[in-house]
Amino acid sequence: GEDVEQSLFLSVREGDSSVINCTYTDSSSTYLYWYKQEPGAGLQLLTYIFSNMDMKQDQRLTVLLNKKDKHLSLRIADTQTGDSAIYFCAERGSGGATNKLIFGTGTLLAVQP
Amino acid sequence: DVKVTQSSRYLVKRTGEKVFLECVQDMDHENMFWYRQDPGLGLRLIYFSYDVKMKEKGDIPEGYSVSREKKERFSLILESASTNQTSMYLCASTRDKKEKLFFGSGTQLSVL
Repeated sequence: GEDVEQSLFLSVREGDSSVINCTYTDSSSTYLYWYKQEPGAGLQLLTYIFSNMDMKQDQRLTVLLNKKDKHLSLRIADTQTGDSAIYFCAERGSGGATNKLIFGTGTLLAVQP
Repeated sequence: DVKVTQSSRYLVKRTGEKVFLECVQDMDHENMFWYRQDPGLGLRLIYFSYDVKMKEKGDIPEGYSVSREKKERFSLILESASTNQTSMYLCASTRDKKEKLFFGSGTQLSVL
């Protein structure tokens, strides 16, 4: 079945770049998403990329998609303490009536001052 | 902004109790979802609904049921709570199946 995997933890220093990685198995994925969950809150959509794109940039965020390797990454430039959160990768398949998103396990990003 | 409201932030229940988790959205969304979030497992879909009185099983429906009597409200029901249902429960909604999900802030349920 479909599976999305992420490393569980990443620690960086304030001002450095963070790179959070994700691998998925469904080659028919149409959209891939990055969600952010701050402590005590629900998930908020950060950014997404359509499967026919290689890269998307949005201010400090850069999403890279390697469709051949089924690898997605999120780069956060100039990481700030406010970026400390859990980041979830999610993918949506291409067919059927389902709107089901498959989420990864989440990566806890800890930003050290 | 879309608001998805979950009625309780924290709940503590006893084994065997019937538990209702309520979720309300204010943007007339057709689609609503219940996920549970557990450390190291990410989010897993329990049930979802595309319309009033319509429901479909997600990946882990066992031990749960849902109710969608009105478009804005989607309830998750634990008929007889068990300790392995201790978890964070997240409700989400979306206007149509290609749009992003809007999440509530979650209900942390502890079953003792």
